[in-house]
Amino acid sequence: NAGVTQTPKFQVLKTGQSMTLQCAQDMNHNSMYWYRQDPGMGLRLIYYSASEGTTDKGEVPNGYNVSRLNKREFSLRLESAAPSQTSVYFCASSEQLGQPQHFGDGTRLSIL
Amino acid sequence: EDQVTQSPEALRLQEGESSSLNCSYTVSGLRGLFWYRQDPGKGPEFLFTLYSAGEEKEKERLKATLTKKESFLHITAPKPEDSATYLCAAYGLTGGGNKLTFGTGTQLKVEL
Repeated sequence: NAGVTQTPKFQVLKTGQSMTLQCAQDMNHNSMYWYRQDPGMGLRLIYYSASEGTTDKGEVPNGYNVSRLNKREFSLRLESAAPSQTSVYFCASSEQLGQPQHFGDGTRLSIL
Repeated sequence: EDQVTQSPEALRLQEGESSSLNCSYTVSGLRGLFWYRQDPGKGPEFLFTLYSAGEEKEKERLKATLTKKESFLHITAPKPEDSATYLCAAYGLTGGGNKLTFGTGTQLKVEL
């Protein structure tokens, strides 16, 4: 039972490069989320998708874009990476908004 | 603005030494209070949801309680395998709703 799967697990980028973080869930959940986790700060919501076909901004959306590809998959794109985006990125899913969220094991992203 | 504050930041216990972790929240229209456990290099793992003051939930050595301003995670006779960072998060209606605000966590170390 995989739950929420994130790829890649680690990535190093140069400033200005672009990349897409992938997330897939196999729990048939309607809602999906992208967070970043930085030392000394709580998890902060970047974007979320309440259901297939919808996406909304969270607390820290600048510099990111998302795509809800289908019910299972929700990707996060950095168009022009900046050092301030060095972080650990977590994808999560839940049955509906407000229900307990289940997290993947994260992507550790370093931008030089 | 919604806020969630956890204390202490770090806690060291001897095996069998019971204690409590605190989560204070200021959230408009609380819809749920969540507790998670996070192991190093892993994503948060869901433990409990509490919805109303006076509610309690238990799982093995852990018991979560909720008042109108705080939640406590009581750990009874902890074992070394309980060592982890414990996160709480409050789900409220501020700013149109659909926002889960996380605390920065309590890092628990249980020693033999």
